[in-house]
Amino acid sequence: QQQVKQSPQSLIVQKGGISIINCAYENTAFDYFPWYQQFPGKGPALLIAIRPDVSEKKEGRFTISFNKSAKQFSLHIMDSQPGDSATYFCAASMYNQGGKLIFGQGTELSVKP
Amino acid sequence: SAVISQKPSRDICQRGTSLTIQCQVDSQVTMMFWYRQQPGQSLTLIATANQGSEATYESGFVIDKFPISRPNLTFSTLTVSNMSPEDSSIYLCSVETADRGLDEQYFGPGTRLTVT
Repeated sequence: QQQVKQSPQSLIVQKGGISIINCAYENTAFDYFPWYQQFPGKGPALLIAIRPDVSEKKEGRFTISFNKSAKQFSLHIMDSQPGDSATYFCAASMYNQGGKLIFGQGTELSVKP
Repeated sequence: SAVISQKPSRDICQRGTSLTIQCQVDSQVTMMFWYRQQPGQSLTLIATANQGSEATYESGFVIDKFPISRPNLTFSTLTVSNMSPEDSSIYLCSVETADRGLDEQYFGPGTRLTVT
């Protein structure tokens, strides 16, 4: 029940296309859903995050869509660029769990020029 | 966001030895965490580093294997003890801040450990 399931495992997108990564969770007590971007040899960098009181959050080319009833959330990268090629992790946490993040399995995104 | 540094950035160690990893933050933070990322895998929380008290360990991780210190609000260490090749991973510290009104978690650059 603590798991966060992420798909796809890998994704290839053409430059300018839309990259979509999906995550699903079981525990309805989760109340914070961040996305992280990780380049090889680097630590994960916080990209964007959402709380369940909104269904969508947009920051630049990155959008989180959140479906509370389906217990799913997704990351959309608009106008994908080769520089977006990285591994993306979704995560979830509960306020009363002291910040403990449960991570998805990761998606390796490759944007082809 | 907080600026987090880790030392060493990487190391190659012999089995049976121990390595201490340092994590330094440029501002005082309440919450500090240690994660492990095995090769090609996702991140798993090892423990929460509590200032002034014993760390809180997640299931599958024990203090004897991963002792943690947190002497103040900007610094923590993680020791990987009696290492085996299975301990080869990236070890990451993270901190939680509320700079933008949310409790957001930021990660350090990681320490890449190889045990031979």
